Amino acid sequence: GQQLNQSPQSMFIQEGEDVSMNCTSSSIFNTWLWYKQDPGEGPVLLIALYKAGELTSNGRLTAQFGITRKDSFLNISASIPSDVGIYFCAGLYNFNKFYFGSGTKLNVKP
Amino acid sequence: GAVVSQHPSWVICKSGTSVKIECRSLDFQATTMFWYRQFPKQSLMLMATSNEGSKATYEQGVEKDKFLINHASLTLSTLTVTSAHPEDSSFYICSAGDSVGGSYEQYFGPGTRLTVT
Repeated sequence: GQQLNQSPQSMFIQEGEDVSMNCTSSSIFNTWLWYKQDPGEGPVLLIALYKAGELTSNGRLTAQFGITRKDSFLNISASIPSDVGIYFCAGLYNFNKFYFGSGTKLNVKP
Repeated sequence: GAVVSQHPSWVICKSGTSVKIECRSLDFQATTMFWYRQFPKQSLMLMATSNEGSKATYEQGVEKDKFLINHASLTLSTLTVTSAHPEDSSFYICSAGDSVGGSYEQYFGPGTRLTVT
């Protein structure tokens, strides 16, 4: 399968701080999606990106589809305790399969 | 967003038995569904693509005879783990795609935790 490199692997931040994570690949993806997963549950879609250069926000979350179509980042502003979880990027390859990054575990200290 | 359900939520079975997991798209039709496997503290690994009315497409390294996939209708795909062994214990998650305003989004079921004793 395709390789998506997601970083950082984990983060420990203080409540109120901003967070940034990114995904890169050697392959071109048609769509980038960002998900959050809580323990024992399925991933929940946060943001979907469809065009190179696209910048999309969802509340305190902002994500961008890289110009090269090989990368994407997710920013969370003013983090709160309920932001804790694992964040995954996913890329749509060849218009028919999604591949996932390795995940970023976010810990927020009140 | 679209809703995808899975059944059961968790299952414990004995080694050598088979287990069937269902994935349903509740409010949309999905010609394609995906099955993923997730080990603790790891990412989702795509196992196979389930196509309605045709054979599933398996990722490299995934045994077709071990993980039987049937996509009999536009709202239901099943994954059967045959002759399960303890190493098959994992979190299995399905997903289905839906076109929203011309854009394609993928929605996940809540997952099924399989424990083989």
